[in-house]
Amino acid sequence: EVQEVESGGVVVRPGGSLRLSCAASGFTFEDYPMHWVRQTLGKGLEWVSLISWDGSSTYYADSVQGRFTISRDNSKNSLYLQMNSLRTEDIALYYCAKEIKDCSAGSCYRYFDFWGQGTLVSVSS
Amino acid sequence: DIQMTQSPSSLSASVGDRVTITCRASQSISHYLNWYQQKPGKAPQLLIYAASSLQSGVPSRFSGRGSGTDFTLTIGSLQPEDFATYYCQQSYSTPPFTFGPGTKVESK
Repeated sequence: EVQEVESGGVVVRPGGSLRLSCAASGFTFEDYPMHWVRQTLGKGLEWVSLISWDGSSTYYADSVQGRFTISRDNSKNSLYLQMNSLRTEDIALYYCAKEIKDCSAGSCYRYFDFWGQGTLVSVSS
Repeated sequence: DIQMTQSPSSLSASVGDRVTITCRASQSISHYLNWYQQKPGKAPQLLIYAASSLQSGVPSRFSGRGSGTDFTLTIGSLQPEDFATYYCQQSYSTPPFTFGPGTKVESK
């Protein structure tokens, strides 16, 4: 059974730092790109960051570029998100998600087939 | 970046109703469109990818159509467990993997 369990969400002060973790199991973690997606309470989904299967390539939403760093440790089946200079607008439920890149139909389609249960990040003075 | 819109933002329907949700991209995204379902307190779950391909395990009452800029998600006969919020997502020009704002399906 595929599982992704996020942790690390707490209350931090504006300008503070936090590291989120996502422990994966039930699949060969090192074979897949992984993402962080966040959801503000009661609102929609915002893609945050992507890391390639080997960690060599990373991408960020403009809203977090320069403040957040995604990383992974394939030996520990774990994904991380280092969050610095936190702002009130970063308050959200953060999900890790596994990406599938399906090239079976001639074109390559990418989608998120499994998501963790989410970890809540709050920013308050 | 490509922007995604959805309509309606919410709808009320009864069990057995046929429900259709629309998603529109700000530019052509071919068939690079995914649909997710999210129930309260739960993570999103993939329903459809590549505009019309049903994810394994998803009931056949769910179907997706469209290409270019206009897409639809249809629930053929609404079931009690289908009351949820539905999101579209483009995977054509990535990153970012932009989501639509969501459509909440509520019980009439």
